[in-house]
Amino acid sequence: DGGITQSPKYLFRKEGQNVTLSCEQNLNHDAMYWYRQDPGQGLRLIYYSQIVNDFQKGDIAEGYSVSREKKESFPLTVTSAQKNPTAFYLCASRSGGSYNEQFFGPGTRLTVL
Amino acid sequence: GENVEQHPSTLSVQEGDSAVIKCTYSDSASNYFPWYKQELGKGPQLIIDIRSNVGEKKDQRIAVTLNKTAKHFSLHITETQPEDSAVYFCAATLYGNNRLAFGKGNQVVVIP
Repeated sequence: DGGITQSPKYLFRKEGQNVTLSCEQNLNHDAMYWYRQDPGQGLRLIYYSQIVNDFQKGDIAEGYSVSREKKESFPLTVTSAQKNPTAFYLCASRSGGSYNEQFFGPGTRLTVL
Repeated sequence: GENVEQHPSTLSVQEGDSAVIKCTYSDSASNYFPWYKQELGKGPQLIIDIRSNVGEKKDQRIAVTLNKTAKHFSLHITETQPEDSAVYFCAATLYGNNRLAFGKGNQVVVIP
């Protein structure tokens, strides 16, 4: 079953702790994306990567970090520097080149207590 | 940068009626316009998209129209059913193919 997986579905952390969200895809897509979703805010881009070992900041990168060591994996770390980390985090991937379609994973809801 | 706006923010329709959601965009270079459906607690699902070289695309009960001159595109859902109740997001390409700019979403409620 091809697709994008995110784990875990729900994540709880104490304030001040770093936490890493997993995103894996077996679609052989070149590009991967991390979005943050808050109520009434739509989807805001955190980071994206078009190829392995390369990534770019999105609109709200402060307090987040990523890595892209493998084509199929794009983990997101929410650091203690992120002032309001509680949100729904969505990972997406795109085939690359002239293909525009982005496909989303099921999301991870992070709650910082 | 690209600015995408959606109207209305909430739409209630009777089952069987049609629903129309409109989005406007600002960047005349945008060339790809997808629509996503998001159910509560799930990731967005791509339901239909249109490229700038066509004016309309239809897939069963859903259709998308694009007016490049006016910089707006619309999602049309006919014969609405309760399972159409969800949040719908429109988007437009930004900086070529590499990014999408999303609208804030429309809550569609289909009343049985």
